[in-house]
Amino acid sequence: EADIYQTPRYLVIGTGKKITLECSQTMGHDKMYWYQQDPGMELHLIHYSYGVNSTEKGDLSSESTVSRIRTEHFPLTLESARPSHTSQYLCASSDRGPNYGYTFGSGTRLTVV
Amino acid sequence: SQQGEEDPQALSIQEGENATMNCSYKTSINNLQWYRQNSGRGLVHLILIRSNEREKHSGRLRVTLDTSKKSSSLLITASRAADTASYFCATFDRGSTLGRLYFGRGTQLTVWP
Repeated sequence: EADIYQTPRYLVIGTGKKITLECSQTMGHDKMYWYQQDPGMELHLIHYSYGVNSTEKGDLSSESTVSRIRTEHFPLTLESARPSHTSQYLCASSDRGPNYGYTFGSGTRLTVV
Repeated sequence: SQQGEEDPQALSIQEGENATMNCSYKTSINNLQWYRQNSGRGLVHLILIRSNEREKHSGRLRVTLDTSKKSSSLLITASRAADTASYFCATFDRGSTLGRLYFGRGTQLTVWP
């Protein structure tokens, strides 16, 4: 369906653990994004990147951090997971100009207990 | 919501009927896009309509855009059970050079066989 991959698909982890959600794309896209989505709710942009070594915070305040050391890889890290971090995390990428859509990964469903 | 608001929030129809979903937005846009999300999955780009276009077709999908009313509609003709999903509109602001989309809350479409 898409050339953007997220792992793991599901993660249940205890409070206080450090976690990294992986996102990789094989399309050579410069722009990559992380969205957070609660069930039945809109998507909230939490981080984005326009290229290697470029990262910015999004509209929704998040305790997570991201890095972009390689074009194809955009991991998201939570240093100390809390139950309030329970959500679905979606990674997306885009290229070229504004008149092209985003390509999304299948998402990671995170549950912090 | 940052931008798009879909209406209705939920829609339930029989196979073969047409499904119409509406989206309203707040600012001047470069384009408006529609995405589909199956339960627990990522979003899939369906169609993009530019601000200077009024109507666009793709297979069983018909999208209209009225920039004077800041609204768009997505029509799915001859719906199938496989069309059951959430549908999101997303807008790309005219002033944005950074390639960011703003998503609404989505319409949950259920098509009964």
